[in-house]
Amino acid sequence: GAVVSQHPSRVICKSGTSVKIECRSLDFQATTMFWYRQFPKQSLMLMATSNEGSKATYEQGVEKDKFLINHASLTLSTLTVTSAHPEDSSFYICSARDEWQGAVDEQFFGPGTRLTVL
Amino acid sequence: QQQVKQSPQSLIVQKGGISIINCAYENTAFDYFPWYQQFPGKGPALLIAIRPDVSEKKEGRFTISFNKSAKQFSLHIMDSQPGDSATYFCAASGGGSQGNLIFGKGTKLSVKP
Repeated sequence: GAVVSQHPSRVICKSGTSVKIECRSLDFQATTMFWYRQFPKQSLMLMATSNEGSKATYEQGVEKDKFLINHASLTLSTLTVTSAHPEDSSFYICSARDEWQGAVDEQFFGPGTRLTVL
Repeated sequence: QQQVKQSPQSLIVQKGGISIINCAYENTAFDYFPWYQQFPGKGPALLIAIRPDVSEKKEGRFTISFNKSAKQFSLHIMDSQPGDSATYFCAASGGGSQGNLIFGKGTKLSVKP
């Protein structure tokens, strides 16, 4: 089946530093990847849609200069949290669509990255 | 109109019982309705999904019932087991959402042994 990995699984950083999270589709190519944020005991909130070879589409209220997204290849998208602050601490999850297999609606989720900003 | 309303927020079921989680939507353009299971500290995993052209889909102990006229769909977990204890999210996509999944708020299921 389609597998999506994320790295790192958890990261602790100091306030003011930048953190990069990688999302990889391991056994399929993904033109489109999604980045979500999830606070404790809450639902997933879509932050942005990452498109290979073009600029990401950000949801309303998400600062594009704060959360930099790069989708440089069909198997890798990265999310960089710039100048992180404690309020950026959250669980970040990516997903990808295997559009070549026909199930264009189905999203496969990564295991998530726990970010803690001190 | 893009919302998906999910209930209950939490659910406690005895082992062997039936767990039922309900979702309702407004956007009639939605045409894909998945259910995800999420364990603490993990990403969501697709459990089962349905499209509006069928009223029911069953996979093992998991069944989705879909009522297009009422704009509602539900997840039934038969013979619930302690290992089913997790948070379940319904979602919807299609139409103007550009394939983006709109998630419900989630239901925390606890199955007591």
